[in-house]
Order: sequence, then C-alpha cells, then structure tokens
Amino acid sequence: GAVVSQHPSWVICKSGTSVKIECRSLDFQATTMFWYRQFPKQSLMLMATSNEGSKATYEQGVEKDKFLINHASLTLSTLTVTSAHPEDSSFYICSARVPPVVYGYTFGSGTRLTVV
Amino acid sequence: AQKITQTQPGMFVQEKEAVTLDCTYDTSDQSYGLFWYKQPSSGEMIFLIYQGSYDEQNATEGRYSLNFQKARKSANLVISASQLGDSAMYFCARPAGGGNKLTFGTGTQLKVEL
Repeated sequence: GAVVSQHPSWVICKSGTSVKIECRSLDFQATTMFWYRQFPKQSLMLMATSNEGSKATYEQGVEKDKFLINHASLTLSTLTVTSAHPEDSSFYICSARVPPVVYGYTFGSGTRLTVV
Repeated sequence: AQKITQTQPGMFVQEKEAVTLDCTYDTSDQSYGLFWYKQPSSGEMIFLIYQGSYDEQNATEGRYSLNFQKARKSANLVISASQLGDSAMYFCARPAGGGNKLTFGTGTQLKVEL
C-alpha cells in the first residue's frame, strides 16, 4: 500500500516550454506532498511543500514563478516547470507522508527532465 | 536549518563482507528519529530502516541495522553480508521543521565488488 505514482518518468522538452509533472497517491490521501530536486550524484534538495487546498511553501532560493506547484485534491499534486531552460534539467521526485505511521514517507519513482 | 552529513562520498566493500555507512546530524532537537534510504541508478527511493528517537534498542531489518548514538548525533547504517545488488547510493534522512519535511544527508555511493 501507500503508493505514489509519478508521471512522466522522463521528459525531453525544448527551451522555453513548460513541463508538468504529476504525482498521484493511489491508495491513500496525501494531505502533504514534498517536491525534491536532485542533480547527478548529489543529494535530494527540498524545493517545496504542498498542502491540499492551500498555497505551497517554497524553500529559500526556489523560484515560485518558475516551479508552480498545485495540490488541488487529496490524491493529486503537480509541479510545472515554466519556461524551462537547460539548467532546469534535473531529476524531480515527490514524496508524501503516509498515515497513520507517524514518520512514514513514500516516494514517487521520479522524473528525469532534460531541457534542450 | 538542519544539516546532515555523510562523510563517505564513496565506499567499496567485498561481497559477503559487512559495511558501515556513517551519518551525523547537527540539530540539538532530539524529537525526531532517522531514516535510511537506498537509491539505485534507476532513481527510486527505497526505504531501508527507521529508528525513532526514543527507541531503546537499535533497529534491525534483515541485513540492515542502525547504530543510533543520540549523544553523538549519529546514526550509522550497517549492512551485513553485502550483495552485488547492494551497489547504490545511500542516504540518511531526518524529519525537521514544519510539516516534518525530510532533510537528506549528502549521500554515500556504495559499490560491492566480487
């Protein structure tokens, strides 16, 4: 149980276009979703925390207008990379808290974004 | 902000040997426990083991055990009887802050050799 489905697994887009990444909780309600970014051979860096029905909380240094996060329902959170540039190429992964385990977390399978 | 350090960027171990991966954190907040995750080259995050901050006994899950020393703010992962499939990136992580967001360590790339 407690599966988060993330799509797409990989995407190549042209510079200047926007890309949407979806994370769906399949068998539980994800009130909170965390979005991470990971460069090759580096750690996961938290970008933002989204809560269902409210605005996302962004970490310091993350551009809110570039990385739009929407958490419109208890089962769907999306990250849109707007006006993508090559430096946005990275691995993006979402994570959700898993009730009722107090400190449980489940992760999506990640999205490799390449901007050309 | 909490900082978590894994001092071994890369480790080699021979198959069937045990290996210890280090993890230290800097916060004085002892409320939270600590997770270890494995990330193979495919990118998925695989949960390995968790220990709560108030757990008396060190956690064990199969070949994985956690050596949690709160006074030293360290929680090292021990993998016994290493297998080739254990070759991956390993991260320790700890909740902190509002919403219990996870902060990840810097990671250790483990390679298991024949």
